[in-house]
Amino acid sequence: NAGVTQTPKFQVLKTGQSMTLQCAQDMNHNSMYWYRQDPGMGLRLIYYSASEGTTDKGEVPNGYNVSRLNKREFSLRLESAAPSQTSVYFCASSVEGRYNSPLHFGNGTRLTVT
Amino acid sequence: AQTVTQSQPEMSVQEAETVTLSCTYDTSESNYYLFWYKQPPSRQMILVIRQEAYKQQNATENRFSVNFQKAAKSFSLKISDSQLGDTAMYFCAFGAYSGAGSYQLTFGKGTKLSVIP
Repeated sequence: NAGVTQTPKFQVLKTGQSMTLQCAQDMNHNSMYWYRQDPGMGLRLIYYSASEGTTDKGEVPNGYNVSRLNKREFSLRLESAAPSQTSVYFCASSVEGRYNSPLHFGNGTRLTVT
Repeated sequence: AQTVTQSQPEMSVQEAETVTLSCTYDTSESNYYLFWYKQPPSRQMILVIRQEAYKQQNATENRFSVNFQKAAKSFSLKISDSQLGDTAMYFCAFGAYSGAGSYQLTFGKGTKLSVIP
C-alpha cells in the first residue's frame, strides 16, 4: 500500500521556468491538499480539493495552480518559478476533508529556484 | 481565522526522561480537533496523536499523551521514556470546519526536539 506518492523528490529550477508536481493517493480519499514548508514557518496550505472536481485556495495560493485530475491525482503547477517558491512541498489526503480526519502525507518535494 | 502557537522553537531531553511540548491556539469555533505531527529527519510527516475538542478525557498513545485545557486553549504533548527515535520536529495542528463542506488544518511553526543519549 503506497499511500500518498509525490514526484519528483528533488527539483532545481531557474527563475521563470515552469514545472508540475505530481501527487497520487491509493487510499480512496476524497480530499487532497498541497502544503509548503519553510524554515520557521511550519506548513502553510496552498490549495486543496475537498472532492473530485473542486479546488479552493488556501493561505498562500499566489503563483500556483492546481488540477484535480481524478479522485487519485492532484497536481500543483508553478507557471513561472520565483526564488520565493524555494521550499519543501507536501501533498496530503484525507478521507472526507472533515475536521476530524487526520491527513496522510507524501514524502515531500524539495524545490530550489535559482 | 485560527492561529496556532508553539512557543518553544527547540528543546532537548535526556534519553528515558519525560518532556512536554507546548501548544496554544486561538479560535472562536466550538467543534474542532487538535493534532500533533512528528517529522523526523526523513521528512515524513507522521500523525502522533489527536484530540477531539468536545472530549474531556486527554488522548494517549503509548508513550505519548496530551494535556488538553479547552478553556485555556492549550494542547501540550508529553513524551514519556524518551527514545532516540523521538528526535524530530513536532508540529501542533488545529482542524475546524471552514465552510463549503471542507476544512483546513492550521499548523504551528514547530518545535525541534533532540533526544540526547
